[in-house]
Amino acid sequence: DAGVIQSPRHEVTEMGQEVTLRCKPISGHDYLFWYRQTMMRGLELLIYFNNNVPIDDSGMPEDRFSAKMPNASFSTLKIQPSEPRDSAVYFCASSSTPGLAGEYNTGELFFGEGSRLTVL
Amino acid sequence: QQQVKQSPQSLIVQKGGISIINCAYENTAFDYFPWYQQFPGKGPALLIAIRPDVSEKKEGRFTISFNKSAKQFSLHIMDSQPGDSATYFCAGPRAGYALNFGKGTSLLVTP
Repeated sequence: DAGVIQSPRHEVTEMGQEVTLRCKPISGHDYLFWYRQTMMRGLELLIYFNNNVPIDDSGMPEDRFSAKMPNASFSTLKIQPSEPRDSAVYFCASSSTPGLAGEYNTGELFFGEGSRLTVL
Repeated sequence: QQQVKQSPQSLIVQKGGISIINCAYENTAFDYFPWYQQFPGKGPALLIAIRPDVSEKKEGRFTISFNKSAKQFSLHIMDSQPGDSATYFCAGPRAGYALNFGKGTSLLVTP
């Protein structure tokens, strides 16, 4: 498998512009996560999906952020309008449901290489 | 949310030395204690993980030690090598199968 694929790898845009980040999870994985990484705040969970349904979006910072997962092989994270403080590396990760009830959470997330966003 | 706090923030170790990174957690309901490794320009990747029913797990030069009473788990890198220079994150579970990550420890192994 090619792993989690993210695009674009780098994005430079001006304040106020719309930004769309894309993610293709590992085939067969039923969980998809969007994280944001900054020096100050570290790795923050923004939102995650299970079977294409958003489960927890409490980490989405503002209404300017939205995420969709129209099918099992594609997700987008959109920022509209973008602001300089949104500059960060955005990671997509996927995982599969741990085994039968009673087994511990394996917790292994497979990350993409990230999309580095710079908002001027 | 499960909060984890790791230390130190950065670490410099000579080649061949032992690197030790610590992680404290809050909730005793944790059932899984992973460490992730991240190289520059890459996403984090699972390095090693431990279950709470064992006190130690070793994989090659990497060892996790778990102290339930102190609510801490630590990562030991024996015979540290320059190729181990990376950022290391501990993590704890949150609702569902997501993870909350610590702030990270930047490790530099000097030749």
